Amino acid sequence: EIVLTQSPGTLSLSPGETATLSCRASQNINNIYFAWYQVKPGQPPRLLIYGVSGRATGIPDRFSGSGSGTDFTLTISRLEPEDFAVYFCQQYGSSPRTFGQGTKLEIK
Amino acid sequence: QVQLQESGPGLVKPSETLSLTCTVSGGSISGLYWHWIRLAPGKGLEWIGFVSHSGDTRYNPALISRLTISVDPSKNQFSLRLNSVTAADTAVYYCAREYSALEHWGPGIQVSVSS
Repeated sequence: EIVLTQSPGTLSLSPGETATLSCRASQNINNIYFAWYQVKPGQPPRLLIYGVSGRATGIPDRFSGSGSGTDFTLTISRLEPEDFAVYFCQQYGSSPRTFGQGTKLEIK
Repeated sequence: QVQLQESGPGLVKPSETLSLTCTVSGGSISGLYWHWIRLAPGKGLEWIGFVSHSGDTRYNPALISRLTISVDPSKNQFSLRLNSVTAADTAVYYCAREYSALEHWGPGIQVSVSS
């Protein structure tokens, strides 16, 4: 099982700033099946990034994904008020599928 | 545009079986993988398992002894059965479709385990 560890647990920033969220895998992910999701209270998770760096439909270009091997990053530029939420990484290249424990992005 | 909708009881007694169904509309259940995921209070997303249209399944090792996921292509539905539930199974349960990752989700259903 691939364990995903996200950091930081909580990130406090102001609108307009840039958020950098990290996700480290317990073993090398030798494929591109890596994704990021945004979760807000009362809403289903929203796919942001698939295939490490592909933006899902309707996702603004302020959101970008990068990485390879065991280290992956979600960058959110020019933070908007609606971006403050919880973010999860996921690998979907092997079973069991696994999620990171989440990073809460809060307003400073 | 494909849509998913979870259905089932919102309250289950401890030691009983939690049964949920996900109905897919706007697209066929053929091909792809169909997942169940849950979000418990104060916890993160937990992957439960998936089923393919042909019935192939993969489960979370932590739940495998209590879990069955099945598919009914004729009804465009797939289902979850989780036996011997406890309070730790209280969560919002989501069904989702995997194509480019989990790109389509149902709205979720709150399931509480309580006597």
